[in-house]
Amino acid sequence: DTGVSQNPRHKITKRGQNVTFRCDPISEHNRLYWYRQTLGQGPEFLTYFQNEAQLEKSRLLSDRFSAERPKGSFSTLEIQRTEQGDSAMYLCASSLEVGSYEQYFGPGTRLTVT
Amino acid sequence: AQSVTQLGSHVSVSEGALVLLRCNYSSSVPPYLFWYVQYPNQGLQLLLKYTTGATLVKGINGFEAEFKKSETSFHLTKPSAHMSDAAEYFCAVSDRDTDKLIFGTGTRLQVFP
Repeated sequence: DTGVSQNPRHKITKRGQNVTFRCDPISEHNRLYWYRQTLGQGPEFLTYFQNEAQLEKSRLLSDRFSAERPKGSFSTLEIQRTEQGDSAMYLCASSLEVGSYEQYFGPGTRLTVT
Repeated sequence: AQSVTQLGSHVSVSEGALVLLRCNYSSSVPPYLFWYVQYPNQGLQLLLKYTTGATLVKGINGFEAEFKKSETSFHLTKPSAHMSDAAEYFCAVSDRDTDKLIFGTGTRLQVFP
């Protein structure tokens, strides 16, 4: 059990550029969650997957955001045409099954849009 | 809709003093409640959780929390603060259908020697 990993840990990009983040959940965890955390705030839910199916997307997730989880393993979160308001920490979490209640978080990817 | 309110964005205590971090929730169904800790530039680590059963929940690092339905509260306590407890603490409630977490705005704990 190596924990949830996220790459990159930090990303600086210019406004208008596209960025992609990767999350590798704990092996055999079938639920995967993405959250966004801005300075001084708690994490906010973005979306989640049950295996490869994306089951819910928050209204925070505009059309510029897309997430995938091919084959139910790792997940990617892409932001197109980044804006300064996208600057935040993007957190990934995984859990073993519904009702396990315990989500394990990765270290996060800090995005800075200049 | 479920929500969490954390009273006090900053709490300062002396080393060895009692730690009390406050959390109140709003939920139309019996809630699942959590406390997470976040150290600088790191992800969140689960301290403890309440799902069902005993209302006094013990967690890691000497922390505990008590679920009080009548007060809709889930306050986090530790009898004696240690310097290493300095961090950001988040209370969260879980959506019953999706398990997604709804977090409070966090409380930053400072511990002075």
